[in-house]
Parts: sequence; structure tokens; C-alpha cells
Amino acid sequence: AQKITQTQPGMFVQEKEAVTLDCTYDTSDQSYGLFWYKQPSSGEMIFLIYQGSYDEQNATEGRYSLNFQKARKSANLVISASQLGDSAMYFCAMRVPNAGKSTFGDGTTLTVKP
Amino acid sequence: DSGVTQTPKHLITATGQRVTLRCSPRSGDLSVYWYQQSLDQGLQFLIQYYNGEERAKGNILERFSAQQFPDLHSELNLSSLELGDSALYFCASSVGGVGKTGELFFGEGSRLTVL
Repeated sequence: AQKITQTQPGMFVQEKEAVTLDCTYDTSDQSYGLFWYKQPSSGEMIFLIYQGSYDEQNATEGRYSLNFQKARKSANLVISASQLGDSAMYFCAMRVPNAGKSTFGDGTTLTVKP
Repeated sequence: DSGVTQTPKHLITATGQRVTLRCSPRSGDLSVYWYQQSLDQGLQFLIQYYNGEERAKGNILERFSAQQFPDLHSELNLSSLELGDSALYFCASSVGGVGKTGELFFGEGSRLTVL
């Protein structure tokens, strides 16, 4: 079974600063994918970034980067140059091949202060 | 716009009633997933269909059922509704592969309120 742990229920960051959202995972599978999703107050879920378990380099997508530390089983999301529009809930998720579902963490609510 | 369409967006009903939530996946996506998001339980996986067949089952109650039709749209049926069923129900679709293609594209959700 897969498990995702997000230990930060809420985070605050000043506009234009960087912020790291923590995610640790647990799985016995060697092949897996890690995802981050953003859920603004409007409710929709938006895919942000993906990291494969065999990827040697950390994934980056614009201002988002994923700090992947396989030995520690962590996949932290780094948002650089925070913007007011980044205020949202962020979910870390994992998927293994042939498992069907993606397993989600409980989420972290990020508030960007002006 | 994710390309996934869910209807209705909002639904208010009474305990004991039955409702049907509908989802149209992105064009070309074969997999459809249903998730329930409630305040106290986060995002819970309910069920997955792949090209018309049930592929994976999560914490779906026996009062709930789903299906995926030949045109790949899916319906989630919730019956004998209880107050605790009030939640945001998401449909998501994916190509169905592994790797980056495993990303989910979510609909806007159907917010169900049971009174």
C-alpha cells in the first residue's frame, strides 16, 4: 500500500519569497510517480509537476520544482518567487503502475502574504 | 480548463434520496477516476474505470455504484444518502499509462449537500 504524508497543515510565505511544502511517501514499489496538485479556493484540482522514481534530475516546471530525495522518501515542492495567486491548498500524490488509483496526502494550505 | 466535464456542479438533496453524478473525460482519455473530498477525510479514492471496465476500487460504500459507458463517460450513483455523504465529488481522467501520463485531469467537481 502507498502512503503520503504532508505534515504542514498550513504555511505562510511573504510575496516574492520561496517556500517549501513537505511531502514524504511510503511504498514498497521500485517504480512510482510523484505528483503535486494545486487546489485554489474555487475548488478545481490543477496538476503542477511530476517526478518519476527513476528520474535522476529533480523536476522543474516554471516556478515549481520538486526536491526529490529518494533515500529519504521525500518529494518536497518548492515554489519560487511566491505570488498572491499561489494561495491555495497543495496536495502531494503518488501513483504506482497498474495500481489504478493515485494516493493523496491530506494537503497543505499555503497563504501568500502581500 | 482541464477538458473534464462534471455535472451537476451543485446538488442539494435530502437524506434517503438517490443522485447521479456525471462525468465526461478528456478526449482520448480511457481512464476515469472518482474521488470524494470531505472536510474531515481529505481526498479519498472511490473507483476507477478503464475503457468501460472497473479497474480499481477504493473506499466506495455499497450504497454507491459507478459505471463507464461505451462513449467513455461515467456516472457515479449515490443512494440512500446520509448527512455524511455531503462532499465534493471529483471525476478525473488520464490516458491510463504510467509515468508523466499518469497525471490526473480533474473536473471542477460536484458539490453534494445532503440535508
